[in-house]
Amino acid sequence: DAGVIQSPRHEVTEMGQEVTLRCKPISGHDYLFWYRQTMMRGLELLIYFNNNVPIDDSGMPEDRFSAKMPNASFSTLKIQPSEPRDSAVYFCASSPGVAGGYEQYFGPGTRLTVT
Amino acid sequence: GDSVTQMEGPVTLSEEAFLTINCTYTATGYPSLFWYVQYPGEGLQLLLKATKADDKGSNKGFEATYRKETTSFHLEKGSVQVSDSAVYFCALGASNTGNQFYFGTGTSLTVIP
Repeated sequence: DAGVIQSPRHEVTEMGQEVTLRCKPISGHDYLFWYRQTMMRGLELLIYFNNNVPIDDSGMPEDRFSAKMPNASFSTLKIQPSEPRDSAVYFCASSPGVAGGYEQYFGPGTRLTVT
Repeated sequence: GDSVTQMEGPVTLSEEAFLTINCTYTATGYPSLFWYVQYPGEGLQLLLKATKADDKGSNKGFEATYRKETTSFHLEKGSVQVSDSAVYFCALGASNTGNQFYFGTGTSLTVIP
């Protein structure tokens, strides 16, 4: 298995632009998680899905952030409009849930820089 | 609510020294416990896990035992190597948390030759 795939690996954009991050989870995993990592705030859970349905989005910072999972093999995290404080590494993770002992598998991350 | 408290870093050790990184948890149910490792510029990788009390997880010379009586899951390694330099995260996950994880803040380890 190729593991969790994220794209792009690096994104540099100007303030006010729309940014879309993409994730392909491991096949057969029922759960998908989006995290944000910064030096100041550490690792934060933004949102997670179960069987393509958003379960908890309480970690999404504000309305500028949105996430979708149109099918079991694809999810997007969109920021519109982007701001410099959104600069961070964004991780996607997937999990088989209880069937796999709740273990989460992380992608390599997308490093976002907003100038 | 459920949470994980992890030893503050950074930790600097000489090669072949003994490593302990403390992790304690608070949980209302029966969680699984995990240690993840993050090497520079990479995502988090599972290092080891334990799914019930008294279980010992082990991998690459690292060990951690699920202690329900002390609500702890301390990470240990008998002899660290330079290649072990990374950030280590303790995490808790369970069905009553909706399968989401609660991560510790991470402990940065640097091993010097």
